Amino acid sequence: DAKTTQPPSMDCAEGRAANLPCNHSTISGNEYVYWYRQIHSQGPQYIIHGLKNNETNEMASLIITEDRKSSTLILPHATLRDTAVYYCIVRVLSGNTGKLIFGQGTTLQVKP
Amino acid sequence: DVKVTQSSRYLVKRTGEKVFLECVQDMDHENMFWYRQDPGLGLRLIYFSYDVKMKEKGDIPEGYSVSREKKERFSLILESASTNQTSMYLCASGASYSGNTIYFGEGSWLTVV
Repeated sequence: DAKTTQPPSMDCAEGRAANLPCNHSTISGNEYVYWYRQIHSQGPQYIIHGLKNNETNEMASLIITEDRKSSTLILPHATLRDTAVYYCIVRVLSGNTGKLIFGQGTTLQVKP
Repeated sequence: DVKVTQSSRYLVKRTGEKVFLECVQDMDHENMFWYRQDPGLGLRLIYFSYDVKMKEKGDIPEGYSVSREKKERFSLILESASTNQTSMYLCASGASYSGNTIYFGEGSWLTVV
């Protein structure tokens, strides 16, 4: 079962910041939070990931609460091309590797 | 850039056929994964491999097998394709250390008729 909970859909105006929330209240101390997005008919695209510190890259920022039970992905200036399904994933450690267990994601619609 | 390449983008196969889906990565990653994606069910893990010749079952391994003879290549095999295996199949790869990035291929759309 997925270890994350996300709203099924969100809207955002073009040019504004998109803030996508995610709850992961059962996360373990050594499990990372990952964000991917998927545009229809394509493979998931990696966005960002983090353990406990906030992270920023050229695509987005990831804010993780101090208790690590929730996080927010921020797209600072959303464009129409950011319309996609966004997945928040806790990478579950299993044996020799870590699996990505996907939930249902949030469909972000960026509107002009 | 990391590249995960899936051999076929679209395939149509007949019920009972043996189907091979091939995936190649160019980053010397230890870990490789096969997922399938269906409307309303999201992405579900079929199998993963953490080294050459090593494999572990994911959440839905029934009806599938895998092969990892070389580090860069991970094959998904449908021994006898059935219509309920019509789906999009996604391959992914990543390094073995904790907190690394996992990269996905573009997907293979398989239709079994």
